[in-house]
Amino acid sequence: AQSVTQLDSQVPVFEEAPVELRCNYSSSVSVYLFWYVQYPNQGLQLLLKYLSGSTLVKGINGFEAEFNKSQTSFHLRKPSVHISDTAEYFCFLAGGTSYGKLTFGQGTILTVHP
Amino acid sequence: DTEVTQTPKHLVMGMTNKKSLKCEQHMGHRAMYWYKQKAKKPPELMFVYSYEKLSINESVPSRFSPECPNSSLLNLHLHALQPEDSALYLCASSQEDGSMVYGYTFGSGTRLTVV
Repeated sequence: AQSVTQLDSQVPVFEEAPVELRCNYSSSVSVYLFWYVQYPNQGLQLLLKYLSGSTLVKGINGFEAEFNKSQTSFHLRKPSVHISDTAEYFCFLAGGTSYGKLTFGQGTILTVHP
Repeated sequence: DTEVTQTPKHLVMGMTNKKSLKCEQHMGHRAMYWYKQKAKKPPELMFVYSYEKLSINESVPSRFSPECPNSSLLNLHLHALQPEDSALYLCASSQEDGSMVYGYTFGSGTRLTVV
């Protein structure tokens, strides 16, 4: 079985501060890892993805994530957040190419305060 | 065109109504998905269509009936829904059958309220 754990359900932070949203995973097969963002009443938008190769992945809107195989983590970071980054963030795991191994984390609500 | 378009954006229906949700993409994606998302929860997979054929049904009640008329269009027909079916229904597509290389492209969703 595979699983995705987002360690924080809510993360409050002040504008221009750095932020890290944590994601740990468990899988018995090779994985593809993604971070999606969902703004209120919207669908999900792909922020970034790890497929293979370099473990540091850069995405849109200044976000980046680091794949750490030994710690089975894929934490999302941004050095300086804006009010507009307030949204819910989902870590997503695709195990191999089987539909049966598609797993979302429970989500982290990032709230950026002025 | 790099979007998945869902209509309507909002839908209110009674428990005896029949309605349909529509999803369209023109990216040449051959896999399309329906997800259901309750408030403050991650999306839950309902159905997967691959090359216009239903490949996964995640034990969804028969009051939800998917249809894929062609490679660009995905419908979800609704009949005799319950109030607990109220949720955001998301459509997504991906390039190939099971391929996650490019991830999903999601639509903005249909906010469904069953009264």
